[in-house]
Amino acid sequence: GAGVSQTPSNKVTEKGKYVELRCDPISGHTALYWYRQSLGQGPEFLIYFQGTGAADDSGLPNDRFFAVRPEGSVSTLKIQRTERGDSAVYLCASSLTPGLAGGGNEQFFGPGTRLTVL
Amino acid sequence: AQSVTQLDSQVPVFEEAPVELRCNYSSSVSVYLFWYVQYPNQGLQLLLKYLSGSTLVKGINGFEAEFNKSQTSFHLRKPSVHISDTAEYFCAVTRTGGYNKLIFGAGTRLAVHP
Repeated sequence: GAGVSQTPSNKVTEKGKYVELRCDPISGHTALYWYRQSLGQGPEFLIYFQGTGAADDSGLPNDRFFAVRPEGSVSTLKIQRTERGDSAVYLCASSLTPGLAGGGNEQFFGPGTRLTVL
Repeated sequence: AQSVTQLDSQVPVFEEAPVELRCNYSSSVSVYLFWYVQYPNQGLQLLLKYLSGSTLVKGINGFEAEFNKSQTSFHLRKPSVHISDTAEYFCAVTRTGGYNKLIFGAGTRLAVHP
């Protein structure tokens, strides 16, 4: 079956521009996560969706970052007025609904979008 | 809050030798523990996870890890590595209960040489 897909795989933009990064989760996965991985670092949590709602956006670095998931499936991460420091690989992951076991459900990661801000 | 420390940024090893990748965590609450592997130009793949029960966890590709609560460690081991194990390895934690926000370490690059 299809895994998590992300588009584009690479995005080069100029400082100050607006970008959108798309994530298609595994069908049936209600939980969706965005992470950011800077060079030489581990992924850092950005935002978590349960269904259509953002249940935790505490990892978004500032108000230039915004994410939506209007139909509870595809999600878009939007970055306004990009800065060179936004350059990183943006990872999306999905999982089944965390149940009574809490964090036990495996997150399946997409290949990421490499964003370069010139 | 939780944090993860991977004690080695790089581990070089010869093929067929044993390897241990070290991971320590800090948390004031109970956690679940994970090891992910990232091959070049690929997404993260789960190697193994500790949720409860036996502290020795076996994963894919011959890897295993041991949860040590007193030392707050979750070291990853393989008795004999292959060239194909060359990759970046990430240790991660999430608090029990609630959802799965993962806190990752900085990663360890395992380089297997012939």
